[in-house]
Amino acid sequence: RKEVEQDPGPFNVPEGATVAFNCTYSNSASQSFFWYRQDCRKEPKLLMSVYSSGNEDGRFTAQLNRASQYISLLIRDSKLSDSATYLCVVRASGTYKYIFGTGTRLKVLA
Amino acid sequence: DGGITQSPKYLFRKEGQNVTLSCEQNLNHDAMYWYRQDPGQGLRLIYYSQIVNDFQKGDIAEGYSVSREKKESFPLTVTSAQKNPTAFYLCASSIRQGLGNTEAFFGQGTRLTVV
Repeated sequence: RKEVEQDPGPFNVPEGATVAFNCTYSNSASQSFFWYRQDCRKEPKLLMSVYSSGNEDGRFTAQLNRASQYISLLIRDSKLSDSATYLCVVRASGTYKYIFGTGTRLKVLA
Repeated sequence: DGGITQSPKYLFRKEGQNVTLSCEQNLNHDAMYWYRQDPGQGLRLIYYSQIVNDFQKGDIAEGYSVSREKKESFPLTVTSAQKNPTAFYLCASSIRQGLGNTEAFFGQGTRLTVV
């Protein structure tokens, strides 16, 4: 079983749609959680950290469910510019290692 | 501006040659990382370093070597022992853990092609 699993997609959605991604992790000692965005042939960039109580940044909402060991990302009112691959990232307590999921590809269609 | 600089952006290598990828950061970060990404794949950890003069193997260290002689620099050598070196290589850094949700920052990557 992979340490971090994501549905690879692609998710093809029309502009203005709401789309949600889930990510599951296997290590119950995981402490830090992130969503990164990666554009084609570019480096990953932090979209948002994920906090235990859930957090929101504009059109983006992240949730953490420790009991079920998954995190989610909700994008409201999708824009063409949201088209990218979204990477789920987890780091376990006591380690410097960031573990990446394979990413979920989103295409927002006009 | 603070950041991570990888060079070169594109690199071509003949089979059987060793090649070194540069990674420099001026963020005063303690930890540095090397990841490899293949087309349509996620990032896989090659090596990481928590402090100067110390580094650990990641999940796919075979055929690679690193050094960490300075806090700012973490070069990666792709040796001839690496059977499939063509990939996108990403260097990252972060501050020490224990300070909350500290994220990793990435350089722009080096795209290595074996010809």
